[in-house]
Amino acid sequence: DSGVTQTPKHLITATGQRVTLRCSPRSGDLSVYWYQQSLDQGLQFLIQYYNGEERAKGNILERFSAQQFPDLHSELNLSSLELGDSALYFCASSPTGGPGNTIYFGEGSWLTVV
Amino acid sequence: AQRVTQPEKLLSVFKGAPVELKCNYSYSGSPELFWYVQYSRQRLQLLLRHISRESIKGFTADLNKGETSFHLKKPFAQEEDSAMYYCALRGDSGGSNYKLTFGKGTLLTVNP
Repeated sequence: DSGVTQTPKHLITATGQRVTLRCSPRSGDLSVYWYQQSLDQGLQFLIQYYNGEERAKGNILERFSAQQFPDLHSELNLSSLELGDSALYFCASSPTGGPGNTIYFGEGSWLTVV
Repeated sequence: AQRVTQPEKLLSVFKGAPVELKCNYSYSGSPELFWYVQYSRQRLQLLLRHISRESIKGFTADLNKGETSFHLKKPFAQEEDSAMYYCALRGDSGGSNYKLTFGKGTLLTVNP
């Protein structure tokens, strides 16, 4: 158990809908990352937060947004869903998000768009 | 820009045989290199990081800055090593460079 908790574990929704994925980082970790894993694209970095502030942005679509709350949990919002958004979404956390930190991953949230 | 290349999508070996999973990287600064393992689309588990120079489950990896490589090796593969292996890089110059950039992964199958 990495200590990173993600909910829901599985989610099936229809095209055009909106979903929210939730992540609780390891106790004490201030930085949260979101990754998308799909069969064709592999592991793609979406976005990183540190102590509530956005630190880095990757290949995140405009239909997607995220935030980190004062209690350090994070949510990834996916809207106007398309079939191609079906993927495993990972949250990860690390103490400060800087060099030397180990990044620990959660179990992931399986999203299926039908 | 950070780039990680794992040239083999699939690697199949027999139990007891040596295994080497290749990883090459492109980065202009001083990177941190990692190996993560994923069993059956479960969570990614950290296997190794180059700065700790430790051996986990019999796996080792040496950072070769001249060849920009961080190959993962194990002298005697076990069936339970069958999994997807990802090489990852983190930069050193702040901002988005602190994210982990992953290779496409290598699916290792160890046959009995």
